[in-house]
Amino acid sequence: DAGITQSPRHKVTETGTPVTLRCHQTENHRYMYWYRQDPGHGLRLIHYSYGVKDTDKGEVSDGYSVSRSKTEDFLLTLESATSSQTSVYFCAISLGSGRASSTDTQYFGPGTRLTVL
Amino acid sequence: DQQVKQNSPSLSVQEGRISILNCDYTNSMFDYFLWYKKYPAEGPTFLISISSIKDKNEDGRFTVFLNKSAKHLSLHIVPSQPGDSAVYFCAATSGTYKYIFGTGTRLKVLA
Repeated sequence: DAGITQSPRHKVTETGTPVTLRCHQTENHRYMYWYRQDPGHGLRLIHYSYGVKDTDKGEVSDGYSVSRSKTEDFLLTLESATSSQTSVYFCAISLGSGRASSTDTQYFGPGTRLTVL
Repeated sequence: DQQVKQNSPSLSVQEGRISILNCDYTNSMFDYFLWYKKYPAEGPTFLISISSIKDKNEDGRFTVFLNKSAKHLSLHIVPSQPGDSAVYFCAATSGTYKYIFGTGTRLKVLA
């Protein structure tokens, strides 16, 4: 299994509070991603990073920010959580060799279940 | 607009029979396709993939077929086993690391 951990694994918070989710990898992979999974929507990319301090938006980035100050850590921040951000959040990593292939796919962490009341 | 579609939310198959999971896409720029498997309370795990230069890729009990003209791919599992019961996501990419995922199909293999 790829060495990916997410913390916390479960969190309940209230509307309007800031929330930070952490993804940590031990694989030294270049790319890291944050997804959310919701019924009827599958997995949707929020933000991704292609190196330290290099990040870009995904398809559902509004209301989220990210930071990557070290290769191994990728943080997802909800500045002011809303009920629509209740979801399961997955971090993923990929080697970043240059092109997606069977030897350079995305490996996912165990997920964080976030509930915003 | 959903670029990758899995129109069957669920599928039940008898153990030992074939499971066929389908996926349609709309973006002709997609050139690499993947299937992921997800168990409850776990992250998705990579299962099998196929490049657009091929029309079939096989790995043990799992085979993925790609029909570019129809913009359709399918995952065949033969024979199906109870441990295959999971949610299956197809994903597509246009040569980058940004995957577009479908909504998933829940497979239940009945013993």
